Amino acid sequence: GQNIDQPTEMTATEGAIVQINCTYQTSGFNGLFWYQQHAGEAPTFLSYNVLDGLEEKGRFSSFLSRSKGYSYLLLKELQMKDSASYLCAVRNYGQNFVFGPGTRLSVLP
Amino acid sequence: DTEVTQTPKHLVMGMTNKKSLKCEQHMGHRAMYWYKQKAKKPPELMFVYSYEKLSINESVPSRFSPECPNSSLLNLHLHALQPEDSALYLCASSPNGVSYEQYFGPGTRLTVT
Repeated sequence: GQNIDQPTEMTATEGAIVQINCTYQTSGFNGLFWYQQHAGEAPTFLSYNVLDGLEEKGRFSSFLSRSKGYSYLLLKELQMKDSASYLCAVRNYGQNFVFGPGTRLSVLP
Repeated sequence: DTEVTQTPKHLVMGMTNKKSLKCEQHMGHRAMYWYKQKAKKPPELMFVYSYEKLSINESVPSRFSPECPNSSLLNLHLHALQPEDSALYLCASSPNGVSYEQYFGPGTRLTVT
């Protein structure tokens, strides 16, 4: 079966650091993707991990541990525009992507 | 050209209507996807085309009929829909390799009355 879990909501303060966790159990694994989605808009790609470890892209970093079925997205120097939903997605086989429920992040001044 | 376009942006249709959603990309991507997304829920995969052939159909009712006329175009034909089919329909594309992310279009917001 497929199961991906994320916290439903998180709140953080402008300028702070926030970590959004994702745990997964899927029938296959060909990479884990993080997307950002603002309300009423399409998801946009943030980062990708296929091997264990940390990938850094500017203010965003993502970590993967395949043995633990665990990933996190780290957002630094939070800005108001970072208020959005963050979706964890696993590519389990072929072209099949499975999305987690998403985490709604609110950044407060 | 690095975007996926979708038309129309909004669509209201009755349960007896037939309509089509269109998606286009000119990035040379060989995989194209249809997703359905309800409010405050993640996207749910409906169909995947790989090299213009249907490779995944996630047990979608037959009132949704996908079509891939060529490598740049993807259609979703709608017929006899139900009010619960009202949602945001997202199209996405990706290069046909395991290490590539998907690029999403802006979506079509569908309301079935």
